[in-house]
Amino acid sequence: DGGITQSPKYLFRKEGQNVTLSCEQNLNHDAMYWYRQDPGQGLRLIYYSQIVNDFQKGDIAEGYSVSREKKESFPLTVTSAQKNPTAFYLCASSIGQGANEQYFGPGTRLTVT
Amino acid sequence: AQSVAQPEDQVNVAEGNPLTVKCTYSVSGNPYLFWYVQYPNRGLQFLLKYITGDNLVKGSYGFEAEFNKSQTSFHLKKPSALVSDSALYFCAVRASGFQKLVFGTGTRLLVSP
Repeated sequence: DGGITQSPKYLFRKEGQNVTLSCEQNLNHDAMYWYRQDPGQGLRLIYYSQIVNDFQKGDIAEGYSVSREKKESFPLTVTSAQKNPTAFYLCASSIGQGANEQYFGPGTRLTVT
Repeated sequence: AQSVAQPEDQVNVAEGNPLTVKCTYSVSGNPYLFWYVQYPNRGLQFLLKYITGDNLVKGSYGFEAEFNKSQTSFHLKKPSALVSDSALYFCAVRASGFQKLVFGTGTRLLVSP
C-alpha cells in the first residue's frame, strides 16, 4: 500500500447524504483511479485522471464525482444519487498508462444505512 | 472489448504443493497482463506483469506466470505454496493503446497446513 493513503478506513453515512473519500499519493504519479469493489464482482472503474485538472468517467460513474486540482490528490464524492453506495472503494495511481502497473491504497469501506 | 476470465472462484492446495491460479483474456491487439493479490480489508498488491518477450514472467514472493498467446492465457503459478499465500488473486488486462485496466472477478486461494 505504500505511497498511497486513503482516509478514513471505515465510513458510515445515512442515506441521502453526500460523502467524500480522500486519496493522496506521494509517488509523483500522473495517473490516478477510483475503483469500487463488491463481493464476486472484481473491481469496477469509477473515474480516472491522467493529469491535473482532467478526468474521465469509467464504467460506473453515475452517482459519483471527482476533482483533480493537485497532482497528489484525487478525492471521490459519493452523492445521494448513487443508488447502492455501500462498498469497498479503492484508489490507485500509476506513472502513466500502457504497461505501467497501478499501485493501490488500503481502501475505504463505506456503509450507508 | 477487453475481458478477463478467472474460471475458479476458489482454489484449495496443501502447503508445499504447487499451485496454479487460472486466467484467460480477450483483447484486440497485444495485451499487457497483470496479477495482483489482496489480503482481507486491504488494497491490491502488484505481483507481476507481462509486456512482451519471455513468456515466463517471475514476480514477487516466488510467484511466476506463463503467457500463452495461442490459448490466450496467463496462469499464475508457484512451485511450493505457503499458508501465508492464502488471499484473493486478481488477473487484469489492458490492450496496448487503451487506457482502462480490466480486472477479473478474482480467485480465492486457500492453502491448508
